[in-house]
Amino acid sequence: QKEVEQNSGPLSVPEGAIASLNCTYSDRGSQSFFWYRQYSGKSPELIMSIYSNGDKEDGRFTAQLNKASQYVSLLIRDSQPSDSATYLCAVTLGTGKLIFGQGTTLQVKP
Amino acid sequence: GAGVSQSPRYKVTKRGQDVALRCDPISGHVSLYWYRQALGQGPEFLTYFNYEAQQDKSGLPNDRFSAERPEGSISTLTIQRTEQRDSAMYRCASSLDQGFNQPQHFGDGTRLSIL
Repeated sequence: QKEVEQNSGPLSVPEGAIASLNCTYSDRGSQSFFWYRQYSGKSPELIMSIYSNGDKEDGRFTAQLNKASQYVSLLIRDSQPSDSATYLCAVTLGTGKLIFGQGTTLQVKP
Repeated sequence: GAGVSQSPRYKVTKRGQDVALRCDPISGHVSLYWYRQALGQGPEFLTYFNYEAQQDKSGLPNDRFSAERPEGSISTLTIQRTEQRDSAMYRCASSLDQGFNQPQHFGDGTRLSIL
């Protein structure tokens, strides 16, 4: 079992729709959870972080964390073609080491 | 301000040669991390430093890989006797400190190709 699992996709949504990206993790000691966006050929860019159960909203992005289910998700409202990228879920046990999933490719079609 | 800077951007070398990859973190960032990213995969942890101290090197694949950060700023990842399987994107990241809530910011990476 991988430590952090994501569906590789591609996830295709029409422009203006809500994109829902999911991630599960295996270590119950995980403390912090991050979503990075990576455009093709570019470096990962941090878009959201979440540390406690519940929802955290920032603009069109909402991160959701459920530690009991070991599940973290990212919702993108009013998806735009510019949101098309690979979204990487990362978790840490608090030691500084980030463990990444393989990423989900999102395609937003005009 | 300036982000994480890595050099060279591209490195092509023959199998068996040694290579050194450089990372200059964001000014004031105490913690520095090295990752390796294969195509279509997320970054894979290699090692990290707080100041000049190497805190965790559990991700280094074998003893051909080493890293240092002698003055607590610039870091060098060295791969000795390179092999074709070492070909990948090597990414450096830095954070303000190693606290669990500190986000890591990535550089543009070094694309290493071993012929």
